[in-house]
Amino acid sequence: DTEVTQTPKHLVMGMTNKKSLKCEQHMGHRAMYWYKQKAKKPPELMFVYSYEKLSINESVPSRFSPECPNSSLLNLHLHALQPEDSALYLCASSQRTGYYGYTFGSGTRLTVV
Amino acid sequence: AQKITQTQPGMFVQEKEAVTLDCTYDTSDPSYGLFWYKQPSSGEMIFLIYQGSYDQQNATEGRYSLNFQKARKSANLVISASQLGDSAMYFCAMKELQGGSEKLVFGKGTKLTVNP
Repeated sequence: DTEVTQTPKHLVMGMTNKKSLKCEQHMGHRAMYWYKQKAKKPPELMFVYSYEKLSINESVPSRFSPECPNSSLLNLHLHALQPEDSALYLCASSQRTGYYGYTFGSGTRLTVV
Repeated sequence: AQKITQTQPGMFVQEKEAVTLDCTYDTSDPSYGLFWYKQPSSGEMIFLIYQGSYDQQNATEGRYSLNFQKARKSANLVISASQLGDSAMYFCAMKELQGGSEKLVFGKGTKLTVNP
């Protein structure tokens, strides 16, 4: 299995809703990432988990809450989002030492109304 | 901090012709890795090619090759025999170390359009 699976593919949520994005990989990768990508822009890193511990938080607002329950699963909990948070959210995983083992999921297109 | 620069917001190429997408980088680390990704309109990031700073030869993967000029700090992607399906955004990226962890930092991207 050489895939990173993200669900849901599309999500529309109100500003008062709570929702979660899910990311799963079974490649034995020990680093997992959340990226946010606005239209016509490059992906911007949000969080990095290494060996199931949060290692990088790029000053992301607390309305985004990551969770890594085990080495295969990464969640992003969303609460009280703003319309400007509408974007493509990409999950990725890699071997611990980086090399060229970065694999991306197909993303979740989030719309906040 | 490392930096990736892609100066071509958009490029056009005729089907079956070759095209070069530019990427320059800036780093003080002697050990680094450079990546190219393709992103179709559907959104997934597709890995194309990787070049390590100590690799002796330029990387190649099928129709993709990387013109790596270390002294100039450039890592241009060459796509040979362009196909209509090559139309997409292309991102150059570099590994960056932060707090003992690694992350990918992306350039702004180049939108490639292949014309029939």
